[in-house]
Amino acid sequence: QVQLVESGGGLVTPGGSLRLSCTTSGFIFSDYYMTWIRQAPGKGLEWVSYISSSGHAIDYADSVKGRFTISRDNAKNSLFLQMNSLSADDTAVYYCARAQPTRYGDQYYFDSWGQGTLVTVSS
Amino acid sequence: SYVLTQPPSVSVAPGRTARISCGGDNIGDYSVQWYQQKPGQAPVLVIFYDSDRPSGIPERLSGSNSGNTATLTISRVEAGDEADYYCQVWDSSSDHPVFGGGTKLTVL
Repeated sequence: QVQLVESGGGLVTPGGSLRLSCTTSGFIFSDYYMTWIRQAPGKGLEWVSYISSSGHAIDYADSVKGRFTISRDNAKNSLFLQMNSLSADDTAVYYCARAQPTRYGDQYYFDSWGQGTLVTVSS
Repeated sequence: SYVLTQPPSVSVAPGRTARISCGGDNIGDYSVQWYQQKPGQAPVLVIFYDSDRPSGIPERLSGSNSGNTATLTISRVEAGDEADYYCQVWDSSSDHPVFGGGTKLTVL
């Protein structure tokens, strides 16, 4: 079965960095777009970034652009999120999710999610 | 950017029908997805392509989409349906996914 397991979360001071990982199994990782979605405590879902199956197409939410970098290692079935210049606003549970194309082609929805990893930015 | 509007909360008695709306400009032109999130758990896809159910999702959950409103309908509501529900579309103008603010379903 499809499994996604995030790791790398924790407590970091403002201005610090953290690298999240998402290890996957149960599907052909290199066939899928992947994404990071976060959820601040008590808040809704916020898309963070996506990366195409090859890694050539990447995009970010404006709130993280220039600070976060998404990447993937198809040989290791893994997705990553390098987070720099963290602030309290980045405190959230970070989910990795597998993206499926809709009937409209280059539009996606998210059919499998990991359990999430908590990132807390505080001094 | 595209905005999806959901009511913050919906309450329903067990056995009745719950309807959760998701409003957006001409949302009927989009493919709408719905995610269920129970406390302390990751979201789960329950509806895709407006009205399709992934395997394992009960037929009591259904979706519709027309005009400016998409709706998630839960028939014969059970205590286990109590959760937050989020709608989602892909905003083709920004090439980003967009989520609604979420609706907390309370089973009375």
